[in-house]
Amino acid sequence: GAVVSQHPSRVICKSGTSVKIECRSLDFQATTMFWYRQFPKQSLMLMATSNEGSKATYEQGVEKDKFLINHASLTLSTLTVTSAHPEDSSFYICSARDFAGEQYFGPGTRLTVT
Amino acid sequence: QKEVEQNSGPLSVPEGAIASLNCTYSDRGSQSFFWYRQYSGKSPELIMFIYSNGDKEDGRFTAQLNKASQYVSLLIRDSQPSDSATYLCAVIPVSGKLTFGQGTILTVHP
Repeated sequence: GAVVSQHPSRVICKSGTSVKIECRSLDFQATTMFWYRQFPKQSLMLMATSNEGSKATYEQGVEKDKFLINHASLTLSTLTVTSAHPEDSSFYICSARDFAGEQYFGPGTRLTVT
Repeated sequence: QKEVEQNSGPLSVPEGAIASLNCTYSDRGSQSFFWYRQYSGKSPELIMFIYSNGDKEDGRFTAQLNKASQYVSLLIRDSQPSDSATYLCAVIPVSGKLTFGQGTILTVHP
């Protein structure tokens, strides 16, 4: 089956610093990639949708200047959390959709901001 | 009204029993419905998808869809302790964005 990887799987950073998370589709090309955030005991909330070569579309309430998304190729999207604060601590999950419309999830990145 | 609603549980069933998980959705134009399983600290994994009214069976899992009543359910037969997880119902509404319910925690006790 299709595989989506994320790196890093866990990251701890200090408040005020920036963190970059990579999402890669390993054996297929992704027309669209999605970034979700999940707080403890809550469901996945869509943050933004990105298509290769174009600007990401952010969901209401998600600050685009804080969560920078770059979708440089059909196999790579990055999410950069800028000036991270403790309230940004969460589980970030990316998802990639292939040309057939199937959507595959990455393993997630646990971000802890101290 | 939430787009996708689930009872958060926890739902506790004995090993070998049938676990029944339910989900309702608000967008009547929704066409695609999914059940994901998520273990603690892990990403969701797809169990089943269903597009048409009726039942769809895959091994111990059966998904049921009733578009008129706007609900979708998941039955797990012969439940095992390894089935203990959070089950997420997800729907693709007219907007085209996969939307998740809050999840139901299932515990299967020996």
